Amino acid sequence: AQKVTQAQTEISVVEKEDVTLDCVYETRDTTYYLFWYKQPPSGELVFLIRRNSFDEQNEISGRYSWNFQKSTSSFNFTITASQVVDSAVYFCALSEAPSNTGKLIFGQGTTLQVKP
Amino acid sequence: SAVISQKPSRDICQRGTSLTIQCQVDSQVTMMFWYRQQPGQSLTLIATANQGSEATYESGFVIDKFPISRPNLTFSTLTVSNMSPEDSSIYLCSVVRDYGYTFGSGTRLTVV
Repeated sequence: AQKVTQAQTEISVVEKEDVTLDCVYETRDTTYYLFWYKQPPSGELVFLIRRNSFDEQNEISGRYSWNFQKSTSSFNFTITASQVVDSAVYFCALSEAPSNTGKLIFGQGTTLQVKP
Repeated sequence: SAVISQKPSRDICQRGTSLTIQCQVDSQVTMMFWYRQQPGQSLTLIATANQGSEATYESGFVIDKFPISRPNLTFSTLTVSNMSPEDSSIYLCSVVRDYGYTFGSGTRLTVV
């Protein structure tokens, strides 16, 4: 069965600190997709990144970076020099291959609080 | 990516009543998904709606409680029936295109 685990329920940092959000996944598929979403207090889901199972390159987008390691089934997300506006709930998610249902499996989410 | 218009954005309903949530997509999509997010929790898939066939419900969700319509490739509705306070949640629709998932802005439902 597919599963996504975000072991960190809540993280609190002071502005300008770096913070890493962990994500561990389980799947028997060889083709799958991993995602990170941000959910600010307003409730909408903001897409951050998608990574397919064949692309293990790390990615950097501004202050955001992602580390995908198939060997440990992890897809961790780092925010460098955190800001108060980064405060939100962050979800890691996994989707099946296109030939299957295509549904997203979400982790439990990590609430990040960045204090000024 | 697709653009989704979800209505209503929020509602306060009396227990025992029903609420229908609408999602309109700006382009045709094969699958639409309905999720529930209970307070402080993650998102849980309720059902997958394909045009021209009955929705596929996840374990723990039944059609009598959450009937879904999918009359065409750009529109779907989810009804929350015979509501109780436990149904107070955010309900979100989602579509997928080229393995990119787009979500509606959500419907924040409070049942009193």
